[in-house]
Amino acid sequence: DAMVIQNPRYQVTQFGKPVTLSCSQTLNHNVMYWYQQKSSQAPKLLFHYYDKDFNNEADTPDNFQSRRPNTSFCFLDIRSPGLGDAAMYLCATSRTSGIQNIQYFGAGTRLSVL
Amino acid sequence: GQQLNQSPQSMFIQEGEDVSMNCTSSSIFNTWLWYKQDPGEGPVLLIALYKAGELTSNGRLTAQFGITRKDSFLNISASIPSDVGIYFCAGQPLTISGNTGKLIFGQGTTLQVKP
Repeated sequence: DAMVIQNPRYQVTQFGKPVTLSCSQTLNHNVMYWYQQKSSQAPKLLFHYYDKDFNNEADTPDNFQSRRPNTSFCFLDIRSPGLGDAAMYLCATSRTSGIQNIQYFGAGTRLSVL
Repeated sequence: GQQLNQSPQSMFIQEGEDVSMNCTSSSIFNTWLWYKQDPGEGPVLLIALYKAGELTSNGRLTAQFGITRKDSFLNISASIPSDVGIYFCAGQPLTISGNTGKLIFGQGTTLQVKP
């Protein structure tokens, strides 16, 4: 059974039209991460939540925001998608951010920007 | 910043052959993880390593945490067509301020297997 669930699997949006991607988890993990992955590249961390504490990466554009209303759900909001934001977006969770931080990934959402 | 150098970048092998890939860094890592990613899917954890020198197997896969804590390798024995995909190493670095909780990813090794 899927433990980290991302919806939708495929999302098409228009240039400049806000879009929200969602992630839910059944693992009751404290930490949730959002990554951006472009073709054949390693995932790039955008930000993560440790419980309700939000941690933004220094090079994450302001265009990307996140919300975590409860332990199970986390959302990625792209306020004004540009063509360069077309990518695979991966959600991951881990029990802790300390030692032995094993991250479990969802299947991803493939975002296309027209 | 901290980087992981993963090699080779790609491999094209015959079914039944053994495969080896590795990751190296100039920094010390606490944890090494190996993931496999199929096209259009998220990375799936294969093996997790926690101690220097640790050697762990998962079926046909074997991975080791280097003694210096700066490298790790993954071996796949007797490859089969479903081994095709991108393999990523990922490490949790130890910094002066302690554990960052973040993973550093290698660039990936793309494996193709010819039946």
